Amino acid sequence: AQKVTQAQTEISVVEKEDVTLDCVYETRDTTYYLFWYKQPPSGELVFLIRRNSFDEQNEISGRYSWNFQKSTSSFNFTITASQVVDSAVYFCALSKGAAGNKLTFGGGTRVLVKP
Amino acid sequence: GAVVSQHPSWVICKSGTSVKIECRSLDFQATTMFWYRQFPKQSLMLMATSNEGSKATYEQGVEKDKFLINHASLTLSTLTVTSAHPEDSSFYICSARALRTGRTEAFFGQGTRLTVV
Repeated sequence: AQKVTQAQTEISVVEKEDVTLDCVYETRDTTYYLFWYKQPPSGELVFLIRRNSFDEQNEISGRYSWNFQKSTSSFNFTITASQVVDSAVYFCALSKGAAGNKLTFGGGTRVLVKP
Repeated sequence: GAVVSQHPSWVICKSGTSVKIECRSLDFQATTMFWYRQFPKQSLMLMATSNEGSKATYEQGVEKDKFLINHASLTLSTLTVTSAHPEDSSFYICSARALRTGRTEAFFGQGTRLTVV
């Protein structure tokens, strides 16, 4: 069985602070994909990143960066210089086998960025 | 990018009535679609996997007779909540699987917020 744990339920920061969201996963599969999604108050899921189990390279995209460590089964997400528009719920998710397979989501972390 | 359109975006219905939610892949064919449910302040949970031309596969604890899924074409899957009750009030979101450049990806619709009164 697969499991995704986001230990932080809510994080509150002041604008321009950095914030790191933790994600720990469990799977017995050797091929899997990890995702991060942003869910603003409107509800839709905004895709942020996909990473497969064979690619441990960290990635940076603008103010967003991701740290994938298979040794600790973690896929953490950092927002640098946070902005009010970053306020949302962020979900980490896992699919086995292929990127288009069903997802197992973590519990989500609500990020509140105060001006 | 691939577009998945979900309709309606929100609906309010009376207890005991049925509600149909549509999920369409607009610019690609989706042999598989997934239906998720999200209760307020909770995570998303898979309800069922819908395959074109065959019966849907439901996750444990999801009543197949209550949540009817039809995937009659390669671009449309529907979820019907039958005899809805207030406890069915939730955010329902679909995703459609596309085959692109030799690998599969899944794209989400905008979601439907159902309120049963």
